[in-house]
Amino acid sequence: AQKVTQAQTEISVVEKEDVTLDCVYETRDTTYYLFWYKQPPSGELVFLIRRNSFDEQNEISGRYSWNFQKSTSSFNFTITASQVVDSAVYFCALSADNQGGKLIFGQGTELSVKP
Amino acid sequence: ETGVTQSPTHLIKTRGQQVTLRCSSQSGHNTVSWYQQALGQGPQFIFQYYREEENGRGNFPPRFSGLQFPNYSSELNVNALELDDSALYLCASSPEEGQGYEQYFGPGTRLTVT
Repeated sequence: AQKVTQAQTEISVVEKEDVTLDCVYETRDTTYYLFWYKQPPSGELVFLIRRNSFDEQNEISGRYSWNFQKSTSSFNFTITASQVVDSAVYFCALSADNQGGKLIFGQGTELSVKP
Repeated sequence: ETGVTQSPTHLIKTRGQQVTLRCSSQSGHNTVSWYQQALGQGPQFIFQYYREEENGRGNFPPRFSGLQFPNYSSELNVNALELDDSALYLCASSPEEGQGYEQYFGPGTRLTVT
């Protein structure tokens, strides 16, 4: 069975703090893809990153970084020096073999960044 | 480049009625997926259309049906509406079917069933 777990339901930080959002996934497939999406209050899901199962390199994009570890089935997302505009719900998602383009989402983590 | 658009933005229906939601895919994308997002939950996959054919379906009853048109736009139809169908319905397009392609989402249609 395919599953994504985001254990943190809500996180609240003060501006400029670093914050890490956890994502743990389950799949028996050897080929799969992991995604992070941001959902601001407007409701539209915004694509942030895609990672395939054969690429465990960490990635950094500005204040955002992602840590993919197959040994622990985790794909964590860190925001450095958080800003109020980072406040949103963040979703981790899995796309596994033989599932076509179906995305399996976690429950989401609501991040609140206070000034 | 035009992004994914959805209409209407909001909709209020009565239990037992039927509803049609519409989606225009991003330019150059031939695959459209529909998701249902209940309040406080992650999106749940309803189905996907690729080149006008259903290409995968989630755990939703047959009263959820869809269409894709030659220009790759799509419709989601829900018959015999139930209160639990109240949710945000998201449409996403991708350049091809299959895992690994990024899906770009529209702003969603908020459906309320009373």
